[in-house]
Amino acid sequence: AQKITQTQPGMFVQEKEAVTLDCTYDTSDQSYGLFWYKQPSSGEMIFLIYQGSYDEQNATEGRYSLNFQKARKSANLVISASQLGDSAMYFCAMREGPYSGAGSYQLTFGKGTKLSVIP
Amino acid sequence: DVKVTQSSRYLVKRTGEKVFLECVQDMDHENMFWYRQDPGLGLRLIYFSYDVKMKEKGDIPEGYSVSREKKERFSLILESASTNQTSMYLCATSPGGDSNQPQHFGDGTRLSIL
Repeated sequence: AQKITQTQPGMFVQEKEAVTLDCTYDTSDQSYGLFWYKQPSSGEMIFLIYQGSYDEQNATEGRYSLNFQKARKSANLVISASQLGDSAMYFCAMREGPYSGAGSYQLTFGKGTKLSVIP
Repeated sequence: DVKVTQSSRYLVKRTGEKVFLECVQDMDHENMFWYRQDPGLGLRLIYFSYDVKMKEKGDIPEGYSVSREKKERFSLILESASTNQTSMYLCATSPGGDSNQPQHFGDGTRLSIL
């Protein structure tokens, strides 16, 4: 079974509207972390936001927020007020296990969602 | 800001060649990673290193090796390149200690094996 599932290969959103990118995960660990990255067409991976499994509040970073539903094992990225520069691939990733130790630094990535913002 | 530098943006090599991809970071991070990215498959971990001279296999290590002789440099080696290793290769780093810190990526190397 896939550890990270992003079910939307591609999405379109109108400029200035909000959009939700889906991410579900599979782990039996109690301690884990979820990351979202953006990859523009130029190729660099840009870190957007992080949510820890024990965090009680949903993470927010500017226009990005993470809708974390632990019981459903989902960690959806919400982008508010979309801009043309938001057009990119978006990847969800998970870290599993304890907070320290060599194995805890590995990330497992989903296959990504391509977001296109329409003017 | 973390600076992760990959030696080449684009690289073309022939089958059977020994290929070196270099990654250098300037932030004194303990952890370094090599991924390959293919359309529809996302990023897959090849190898990572959590200290000098230490390495761990990732999900797809076959056909690759790595070297980390100095903390700031992590090399990916294709011992005998094959066409199925044509891909985008991404290097990343992260600090030791708190594993909730994000990984920082280089700009990637688009490798074509002819």
